[in-house]
Amino acid sequence: ELKVEQNPLFLSMQEGKNYTIYCNYSTTSDRLYWYRQDPGKSLESLFVLLSNGAVKQEGRLMASLDTKARLSTLHITAAVHDLSATYFCAVGIRLTFGEGTQLTVNP
Amino acid sequence: DAGVIQSPRHEVTEMGQEVTLRCKPISGHDYLFWYRQTMMRGLELLIYFNNNVPIDDSGMPEDRFSAKMPNASFSTLKIQPSEPRDSAVYFCASSFISKGNTGELFFGEGSRLTVL
Repeated sequence: ELKVEQNPLFLSMQEGKNYTIYCNYSTTSDRLYWYRQDPGKSLESLFVLLSNGAVKQEGRLMASLDTKARLSTLHITAAVHDLSATYFCAVGIRLTFGEGTQLTVNP
Repeated sequence: DAGVIQSPRHEVTEMGQEVTLRCKPISGHDYLFWYRQTMMRGLELLIYFNNNVPIDDSGMPEDRFSAKMPNASFSTLKIQPSEPRDSAVYFCASSFISKGNTGELFFGEGSRLTVL
């Protein structure tokens, strides 16, 4: 059974700082997704990573995938308040989700 | 495209009542997923369909839950009888998975169910 673990689960950071969220998964997979969810809202797709070494960037967020290590990272650069949300990674064709990382960016 | 459309957006019902949640996937998508989200258990996959055929229903919690997809543009998730522990947000999502395609999942706005 595929297991997906994220850490940290809660992250409080100051504006302007950098941080990384980690997503580990237990079995081989050729695809990994990152989603964002604002409170009371649906999930919004951020990145799709389909190969080892894939790197995608959008604004202050950058995601990467290492399929050999079964690890993906979501790096936040110079955080701003608008990035406050819960971030999920999901793995595989049937999208098994991690627990989510609740990010709060403080002024 | 209007995206994945779910109804109702909110449902409040009493224990023992039947609940039916509805979903219209994005046109052309061949996969449809039903997820449940709660604070305690996070996002759980209940069932998913490929070309209207149920592929994996191992996440359906009990026989009280059933899901159908009679055609490519409509799916239902039914709970009968409902119980307070079924209270959650139910998301429907769809995707198009083929060689060269990302398989990105698009979510509906969710149906928030409260069972009293």
